[in-house]
Amino acid sequence: NAGVTQTPKFQVLKTGQSMTLQCAQDMNHNSMYWYRQDPGMGLRLIYYSASEGTTDKGEVPNGYNVSRLNKREFSLRLESAAPSQTSVYFCASRRDRGLEGYGYTFGSGTRLTVV
Amino acid sequence: GQSLEQPSEVTAVEGAIVQINCTYQTSGFYGLSWYQQHDGGAPTFLSYNALDGLEETGRFSSFLSRSDSYGYLLLQELQMKDSASYFCAVRDGGLNTGGFKTIFGAGTRLFVKA
Repeated sequence: NAGVTQTPKFQVLKTGQSMTLQCAQDMNHNSMYWYRQDPGMGLRLIYYSASEGTTDKGEVPNGYNVSRLNKREFSLRLESAAPSQTSVYFCASRRDRGLEGYGYTFGSGTRLTVV
Repeated sequence: GQSLEQPSEVTAVEGAIVQINCTYQTSGFYGLSWYQQHDGGAPTFLSYNALDGLEETGRFSSFLSRSDSYGYLLLQELQMKDSASYFCAVRDGGLNTGGFKTIFGAGTRLFVKA
């Protein structure tokens, strides 16, 4: 099925550990995004990539890095996990940067707990 | 700064009509979107309004008034499966962002009762 695929779905990390969240889309979308969702706070943008080869910070980039590996893949890395990074992470893509009307397509999410 | 305000919870009965409001404040405005999210699931895109007025898609309608910085999502003939969180979202038109960031409200939890 066409869409956005995220891995893993669940992860528990110890404080200080690192990990990479993987995201891939097969809809030939130009722009890709990483959001985190915390209770009562909606979705907050961590990083985005408007097109292959470019990445930019969002609202809450501290503690994260990203790589736009190719048009399909956009990964999120936590270099040294902290309990404050416990959250649900969503990857999303959109058809084109200017076409808000198409909306985001979201992956199923990664539920990350840092202990 | 940019912000969106929407009620935290709304309760309605099956078969009724419910309206979820959203007011926004942004540096530039490129349209208001709505997303639905069921518990444990991913947000799914519902609608988008760039111009004033009402857009209808089946049982769901979305309204925008740019002069009032206000919009709403209208759900008709409510069904139990409509119990979910609903988020309004606007694109951040700030010059330093290239206009790619979408800002989401905190969400409105809709409870549909039998």
